[in-house]
Amino acid sequence: KQEVTQIPAALSVPEGENLVLNCSFTDSAIYNLQWFRQDPGKGLTSLLLIQSSQREQTSGRLNASLDKSSGRSTLYIAASQPGDSATYLCAVRYGGATNKLIFGTGTLLAVQP
Amino acid sequence: DAGITQSPRHKVTETGTPVTLRCHQTENHRYMYWYRQDPGHGLRLIHYSYGVKDTDKGEVSDGYSVSRSKTEDFLLTLESATSSQTSVYFCATAYGQGNQPQHFGDGTRLSIL
Repeated sequence: KQEVTQIPAALSVPEGENLVLNCSFTDSAIYNLQWFRQDPGKGLTSLLLIQSSQREQTSGRLNASLDKSSGRSTLYIAASQPGDSATYLCAVRYGGATNKLIFGTGTLLAVQP
Repeated sequence: DAGITQSPRHKVTETGTPVTLRCHQTENHRYMYWYRQDPGHGLRLIHYSYGVKDTDKGEVSDGYSVSRSKTEDFLLTLESATSSQTSVYFCATAYGQGNQPQHFGDGTRLSIL
C-alpha cells in the first residue's frame, strides 16, 4: 500500500530558528511530490512541487529536497517567523494520467515570537 | 487560489438527508477533485473528474456521487448522509496531468447529526 508519513506531528520553535520538516513515502516510484501549507479553517496553499527527476526546489526561505531512493523529502524553512505557523502537508503523486495525490497527515508548526 | 469557490462553507444537516456541495472554478482547469479531511487520516480522495462528464472514483467513494456538466462546476452529492460523513470537504483543480500542481478551495465544513 502506498503511504505517506510526516514526522513530527507537531513542532514548536523560537522565531529565527532554521527548521526541517520530514516526509517519507513507502513506494519510491513517484512521479512528483508537492508541499502544501494549511492555515486554520483554510484550504491548502501549494508551496513547492518537485518532479521525480529533481533533487530540490527553492522558493524564498523554503527549500524542498527529494531523495527517491530512500523514499524521503524534507522541507527546510530558514529564519522562521511567527507567520510561518501553520500545518505543512506533503503529497505524493504516483504514475498515471489522473494526477491523484496521496497525502501525509501533516506537521503542525508553531513559531514562537 | 486558482479562482476556486466552494459552497456552502458550512452546513449542518440530519442523518438520512441528501446533501450537495458545489465547487466552482474560473481558471478553466481540466481536472477537478473532491477530498475529505479527517483527523488522523489526512486528505483522502473521494472522486475526481478529468473532463466534462468524465469522472472516476477515489479511495473513499462509497456513499458519494459526483457530476460535472460544465468545465467550471463539480458537484459532490451525499445521497443519504450518515454521521461518518461529517468532515471537511475540499475541492481541488489542476490545469492538466503530469507536472501541474493542484490548487485547493477553502473547504466546506459539514456536520451530520
